[in-house]
Amino acid sequence: QVQLQQSGPGLVKPSQTLSLTCAISGDSVSSKNSAWNWIRQSPSRGLEWLGRTYYRTKWNNDYAVSVKSRININPDTSKNQFSLQLNFVTPEDTAVYYCARSQADIDYWGQGSLVTVSS
Amino acid sequence: QPVLTQSSSASASLGSSVKLTCTLSSGRSNYVIIWHQHQPGKAPRYLMKVESSGSYNKGSGVPDRFSGSSSGADRYLTISNLQSEDEADYYCETWDSNSWVFGGGTSLTVL
Repeated sequence: QVQLQQSGPGLVKPSQTLSLTCAISGDSVSSKNSAWNWIRQSPSRGLEWLGRTYYRTKWNNDYAVSVKSRININPDTSKNQFSLQLNFVTPEDTAVYYCARSQADIDYWGQGSLVTVSS
Repeated sequence: QPVLTQSSSASASLGSSVKLTCTLSSGRSNYVIIWHQHQPGKAPRYLMKVESSGSYNKGSGVPDRFSGSSSGADRYLTISNLQSEDEADYYCETWDSNSWVFGGGTSLTVL
């Protein structure tokens, strides 16, 4: 059974960087069958996929066009986890953020982290 | 035009059945979709994959009361013998244009 445990601050100031971590149990961040995603949900945008990292013969990243210029998703193989960094945040980035695993489909989700962008 | 369209809300009585619909936009009627359940205060949960043929594959531990089907661009989630714990938001999801995309979700109330 895969479990994803999220952590990170719940309040970020405008123009600063939002950082969240997702610790994986029951799978490996380096698995060649899995990808590791970040998704957010807000009343105005609904569920929005932000991006993913995955390992095949090398590490790869795919990012949503809407955030591509200010997002990084990085694996940490030593701790079997992956992280989200979203730079230059504004109040419109206030949302519940989820990490999730995908193989053929998104099949496991983290519990969600409410992040508020406010001064 | 959104890739996936869902009604915002639905309601049905305890013990009855309900059929939720996810509609694919034009040109995507052959897409596979996934249904997820999001109960309040819990992580979203994978329910099943539904193919254009109408076949479906459920996730581990998903009760027999949940089933899927398909007609044209519509993908369905049917819940039989509704229980109080089925009160949740239900989202459909698919892969399109190098991105996971989601429907707006249906909030199901069990009366």
